[in-house]
Parts: sequence; structure tokens; C-alpha cells
Amino acid sequence: QKEVEQNSGPLSVPEGAIASLNCTYSDRVSQSFFWYRQYSGKSPELIMSIYSNGDKEDGRFTAQLNKASQYVSLLIRDSQPSDSATYLCAVNEANNFNKFYFGSGTKLNVKP
Amino acid sequence: GAGVSQSPSNKVTEKGKDVELRCDPISGHTALYWYRQSLGQGLEFLIYFQGNSAPDKSGLPSDRFSAERTGGSVSTLTIQRTQQEDSAVYLCASRFAGGAYEQYFGPGTRLTVT
Repeated sequence: QKEVEQNSGPLSVPEGAIASLNCTYSDRVSQSFFWYRQYSGKSPELIMSIYSNGDKEDGRFTAQLNKASQYVSLLIRDSQPSDSATYLCAVNEANNFNKFYFGSGTKLNVKP
Repeated sequence: GAGVSQSPSNKVTEKGKDVELRCDPISGHTALYWYRQSLGQGLEFLIYFQGNSAPDKSGLPSDRFSAERTGGSVSTLTIQRTQQEDSAVYLCASRFAGGAYEQYFGPGTRLTVT
């Protein structure tokens, strides 16, 4: 079992809709969770970090963490074509803030 | 401030040649990471540095791969006797060590082995 699992997609949503991206992780003790956006041909760009159970909002983005169920999700409200990218979930290794596991990413297509 | 920089941005080399890839982290970031991303794939962890030491080299694919970091700053990833399967984008990231700090990525080096 991979440490971090994501549906590869593509996830297609119409412009203006809410895009919901999900990630599950295997290590119950992981403490830090991150979402990165990667445009084709570019390097990953940090969008959100979340460390506590619940929701964290930043503009159109909301990260949701449920440690009991071992999942973290990213909601994108009012999706725009410019949001079309691959979204990577990253989780730190249990008891080691210095090592991270990345999911393989979910490709999001926002259709005008 | 300045972000993570990497050089070269693109490198084409012949099979069997050695290559060096450079990473200059964000000033003050003590942890530095190297990842590899093949076309259409996720990130493959290679190695990370805490200061000048590498506590975890578990991701290096073979003994042809090595990395060093000097002065707690610049890092060099060296691939000896390159093979076609080494073709990928090599990404460097840095962060403040310890605690729950985020990684920030450089633009990457696209390596093509012909």
C-alpha cells in the first residue's frame, strides 16, 4: 500500500463549480499535510498546508483534514479554467517532520 | 525574496556521460530535498539534507547517483554513466528543518539522455 493515495483523474468540472480533490494516507501518526498545484511543465507550487482536524480556508481554497479517517481533501470553489492542473497531496512521515511522501496527483480540468 | 534556483534548466547528454545538477535553496532553509519526476508520473524522493549531512539517502536509485551539500547551502546531484532511464525532471526543494514547515520547489532541471 502506498503511503499517499490519490485518484489520478482526470476530474472534470464546469467553470464556477466546486472541485473536490481527495487524498488518503496510510500512517495514522502523520502530522503535516500539504496541497501543491502543478501546471504542465512546471514545478509544484504550494497552495495549502493543514495540521489540525477540520477545515482551513484560504480564498477559494479549503483544505479539510480528518485524522481519524486518514484523509485530507481540497475544495476549490468557483473553479476557473486557470485552476486546471495536477494537484499533489503530500504528507510528512510519522514522527519525522523532515521526510515527506507525495501522492501521484489528481489532474483537474475546468471547462469554460 | 529569492526562491529555490536550479541549474541548468535543461540538460541533454549522451548515454554514458556524467552530469551535475545544481540547487541553490532559499536563504536560511537548512533542509534540502531532491526529487525526480518522470513524464506523467508523481514525485520520486531521492535524498534529503539536514545541513550538510544526508540522513536519508534511501531514494537514490543506484550507486551511479550521489549528492553533496556544502556550506549548508548549495547542493549538487551527480549522475555518473547516465542511462536513458535517467531521463526525467529533477526537482529540488528546501524548507526550514524540523517543525511543520512547508517545502518550496525550484523550477527543476529537465535531463534528457540520448
